Amino acid sequence: EAQVTQNPRYLITVTGKKLTVTCSQNMNHEYMSWYRQDPGLGLRQIYYSMNVEVTDKGDVPEGYKVSRKEKRNFPLILESPSPNQTSLYFCASSLLGARSYGYTFGSGTRLTVV
Amino acid sequence: GENVEQHPSTLSVQEGDSAVIKCTYSDSASNYFPWYKQELGKGPQLIIDIRSNVGEKKDQRIAVTLNKTAKHFSLHITETQPEDSAVYFCAAIPAGSYQLTFGKGTKLSVIP
Repeated sequence: EAQVTQNPRYLITVTGKKLTVTCSQNMNHEYMSWYRQDPGLGLRQIYYSMNVEVTDKGDVPEGYKVSRKEKRNFPLILESPSPNQTSLYFCASSLLGARSYGYTFGSGTRLTVV
Repeated sequence: GENVEQHPSTLSVQEGDSAVIKCTYSDSASNYFPWYKQELGKGPQLIIDIRSNVGEKKDQRIAVTLNKTAKHFSLHITETQPEDSAVYFCAAIPAGSYQLTFGKGTKLSVIP
């Protein structure tokens, strides 16, 4: 089944403790992206990647890092999480970018930073 | 950059009635406009999209219209059913970009 898989689904952590949210897709998509979803703010892009070793900032990149060492994986790294990073996170992928086929989203990771 | 406004933020309709969600965009060069449906506990799922060279597109009970002159596009759902209850997002792609800019979402409730 074609899908984007995120792990974990739920995560509670403490301020300052480094964490990684994994994202993997099995569709051979070049384009991958991370979004955060907050009430009243919709979906805001954090980082995106056009292909292996090519990443760039989205609208809200502060406090986040990403890497794209393999085409299928695009982990999101929070090196020193803070409470304002409590949110619902989505990974998405697309073939040739969203211009052609639209994004496929993962099921989300709900992160709470206390 | 692109800015997408979406209205209303919440919408309640009786089962069988129609629902309309409207979006406006700011970048006149945007040329791809998808709509996503997000059910509770799930990620957004593409339900229909339209490109700037088309004025209307239908898929069973769902249709999308685009007015390039006015820079707005709308989602129409006819004969609504309880399973249509979800949050719907519109989006647009700015010129020269691969990034979708989303509206803030509309929570649709279909009352049986």
